[in-house]
Amino acid sequence: NAGVMQNPRHLVRRRGQEARLRCSPMKGHSHVYWYRQLPEEGLKFMVYLQKENIIDESGMPKERFSAEFPKEGPSILRIQQVVRGDSAAYFCASSPVGGSGNTIYFGEGSWLTVV
Amino acid sequence: ILNVEQSPQSLHVQEGDSTNFTCSFPSSNFYALHWYRWETAKSPEALFVMTLNGDEKKKGRISATLNTKEGYSYLYIKGSQPEDSATYLCAFYQGGSEKLVFGKGTKLTVNP
Repeated sequence: NAGVMQNPRHLVRRRGQEARLRCSPMKGHSHVYWYRQLPEEGLKFMVYLQKENIIDESGMPKERFSAEFPKEGPSILRIQQVVRGDSAAYFCASSPVGGSGNTIYFGEGSWLTVV
Repeated sequence: ILNVEQSPQSLHVQEGDSTNFTCSFPSSNFYALHWYRWETAKSPEALFVMTLNGDEKKKGRISATLNTKEGYSYLYIKGSQPEDSATYLCAFYQGGSEKLVFGKGTKLTVNP
């Protein structure tokens, strides 16, 4: 049973380009979370999605960032017109059900470097 | 703004030592506390989910306690081994929210 799969693991983008990060949740999991770790910071919540729905995006920057979790296929975190401050590790997690008393399972992260 | 504080920030111990670290979180509207173990270049691995005041959980040589009234949790490692070297994260869920608020972690290094 494969864990949460993220790709690419490492991505380099020039300022102004777009970055797309993909997350395939564990089999049977319909809840997906994205977290970001900036240098010297802890993991920060960005967005929580269920299939085809954004449930909580209170941690997402208002501009340039978007997320989706379509009926088929992986969840995508999209960053348009990247800037140097977007350089960070982006972690996806999934769970079979929502609810904060349940374990969520993390992927190994995608490291974005903006040059 | 919710703050989760972990101390110490880093810790070096000798193999065989027992150790513990602290996680402090807001005591109001508590819902759950999670502990994760995070090795470099790997994914954070769930250790415990704790929901009740006075909870004690154990997994091998690692155990955790929870005090929701005063807002703290302790993680204990008995007889540390080099393979225990990792960053230990705690994360707090407040009622009505689906987002984990993480501390910055305690980085443990166990020297052989």
